Amino acid sequence: DVKVTQSSRYLVKRTGEKVFLECVQDMDHENMFWYRQDPGLGLRLIYFSYDVKMKEKGDIPEGYSVSREKKERFSLILESASTNQTSMYLCASSRDRGEKLFFGSGTQLSVL
Amino acid sequence: DQQVKQNSPSLSVQEGRISILNCDYTNSMFDYFLWYKKYPAEGPTFLISISSIKDKNEDGRFTVFLNKSAKHLSLHIVPSQPGDSAVYFCAASAGFQKLVFGTGTRLLVSP
Repeated sequence: DVKVTQSSRYLVKRTGEKVFLECVQDMDHENMFWYRQDPGLGLRLIYFSYDVKMKEKGDIPEGYSVSREKKERFSLILESASTNQTSMYLCASSRDRGEKLFFGSGTQLSVL
Repeated sequence: DQQVKQNSPSLSVQEGRISILNCDYTNSMFDYFLWYKKYPAEGPTFLISISSIKDKNEDGRFTVFLNKSAKHLSLHIVPSQPGDSAVYFCAASAGFQKLVFGTGTRLLVSP
């Protein structure tokens, strides 16, 4: 089974802090994604990557950046955390484009 | 523009009865459809999928129906169990494009 591991289940940060969310997958998947989930808004795509050192903006990239230095690792960076970035962050990977995604357990981030 | 819509934010059914979750889409290029289930504080898990060449796919208690002319997708759970209580997301993709998710429907199955 594919395993997508997110480094933290719960995180509390202060406004203005730089925040790193790490994600690692163990199935040699080409594609990796970062989503956030908010009540009533579903899953919204922040950034994705179809290859190492490649990144593409999703639907809500403002305030975020990403890094993919190795195939198995995809990091989400909040440059200067704000309270409206309090959310559940979900990392996912897939073997091929347009195929089903395998999700990590999520990181519940609270920005105070 | 919401290309995938789940118009019912919540649904309550009794244990043993059928649960029907609905999803509508606007993009006629979508050719692959999926349902995910999500428990609180966990990541979504894949449930079942269907390609546009089929109109029905079954997996145990779960059946997905696709009506391409109506651009409508539904998930039937029979019989419903309390452990099915979760948020259900439908998703769709066109060719090799990324998945587009709906906003989710919270299902509550009461004993």
